[in-house]
Amino acid sequence: KAGVTQTPRYLIKTRGQQVTLSCSPISGHRSVSWYQQTPGQGLQFLFEYFSETQRNKGNFPGRFSGRQFSNSRSEMNVSTLELGDSALYLCASSRTTRGTEAFFGQGTRLTVV
Amino acid sequence: GESVGLHLPTLSVQEGDNSIINCAYSNSASDYFIWYKQESGKGPQFIIDIRSNMDKRQGQRVTVLLNKTVKHLSLQIAATQPGDSAVYFCAERPSGGSYIPTFGRGTSLIVHP
Repeated sequence: KAGVTQTPRYLIKTRGQQVTLSCSPISGHRSVSWYQQTPGQGLQFLFEYFSETQRNKGNFPGRFSGRQFSNSRSEMNVSTLELGDSALYLCASSRTTRGTEAFFGQGTRLTVV
Repeated sequence: GESVGLHLPTLSVQEGDNSIINCAYSNSASDYFIWYKQESGKGPQFIIDIRSNMDKRQGQRVTVLLNKTVKHLSLQIAATQPGDSAVYFCAERPSGGSYIPTFGRGTSLIVHP
């Protein structure tokens, strides 16, 4: 079956702009989580959605937001981009919110200049 | 705050050797510990997990050991192959509330042919 698909793979944005990233989970998976990965901070949890509802949120400023659609596809948005937002953004899907086995996409590499 | 950490940032081994990747954790309330593998340019891939009431769990060529006395977790890879070269992350999952795993920084495994 198809894996987790994230689009786009690469993005270059200017400070102050906003960006929207997309994630299509594995068919049948209703839980989608987003992570930011940087060399300095590692993998940091952004938020989790299940059945169109945000279930959990990490310690990120309000500039980071997300949503989930009825088909479980998810988007995350970052407004007023800062240089420090440059990172690999990863999406992970799982059947439920309690499963330990999450399936990650390849990520979107965001570069803010 | 409590955190998950790794003892060594880089581990180099010869093909065919056994590899041991270590991880220290501090949250004794975690109910699951999970290992992920991340190859260059890809998202993390679930390898194996172990519940906190177990000491050992085996998968295909991998074994995870959990020592709750010293809060230590290890991943053993038998007959390491060049395809095992990747960054390995351990993660701990809390026993209640959010079920969101906290990831360690990762250990880079380099397998020399």
